[in-house]
Amino acid sequence: EVQLVESGGGLVQPGGSLRLSCAASGFTFTNYYMDWVRQAPGKGLEWVGRVKHKAHSYDADYAASVKGRFTISRDDSQNSMFLQMNSLKTEDTAMYYCARDAATSLDYWGQGALVTVSS
Amino acid sequence: QSALTQPPSASGSPGQSVTISCTGTSSDVGNYNYVSWYQQHPGKAPKLIIYEVTKRPSGVPDRFSASKSGNTASLTVSGLQAEDEADYYCCSYAGSNNFVFGTGTKVTVL
Repeated sequence: EVQLVESGGGLVQPGGSLRLSCAASGFTFTNYYMDWVRQAPGKGLEWVGRVKHKAHSYDADYAASVKGRFTISRDDSQNSMFLQMNSLKTEDTAMYYCARDAATSLDYWGQGALVTVSS
Repeated sequence: QSALTQPPSASGSPGQSVTISCTGTSSDVGNYNYVSWYQQHPGKAPKLIIYEVTKRPSGVPDRFSASKSGNTASLTVSGLQAEDEADYYCCSYAGSNNFVFGTGTKVTVL
């Protein structure tokens, strides 16, 4: 059974940093790109970015809204993906979901980690 | 990249059909057959229900169908059931290794 479990959410002040983790199980992690998607309270889904697998040099792509502030990485030995968030703004407050990337869609999602940016 | 446009709400009685539109541009929906749809119940994670415009993952009822014409994709839920009441989001590949979601539609079963 595919499982994705996010961790690391919490309260952080504007300008601060936070690192989210996504632990994967139930599938061959090394074969898949992995994505982050966020959802502000009461709002819609927003694609944050993704990290490719080793065959594509672990390259990462980002939404314009987070480029230069967020970094997505992965550790295949731990079947894990990470989202390093720096220079956080109040508008980054959201539930952050990790998702398995099936190339043309996101076919499995975690339950999310809540990030609150507030002073 | 602007969000794809969906109607804020749609509704239907049990057994009826409801269709949700998803309008993008020639740079996203109109240029790629990589439109997917997601169902999200309150407080839950999204669930994939349609991929590559028309395909249903295993386990998704055939009451869910989808299509695309030009820059607009559509999702139809036939034979509405109480458990279909949820938020629905479309998503499209937008080129340059970017994806864009729709604004979301709340479906109410009357």
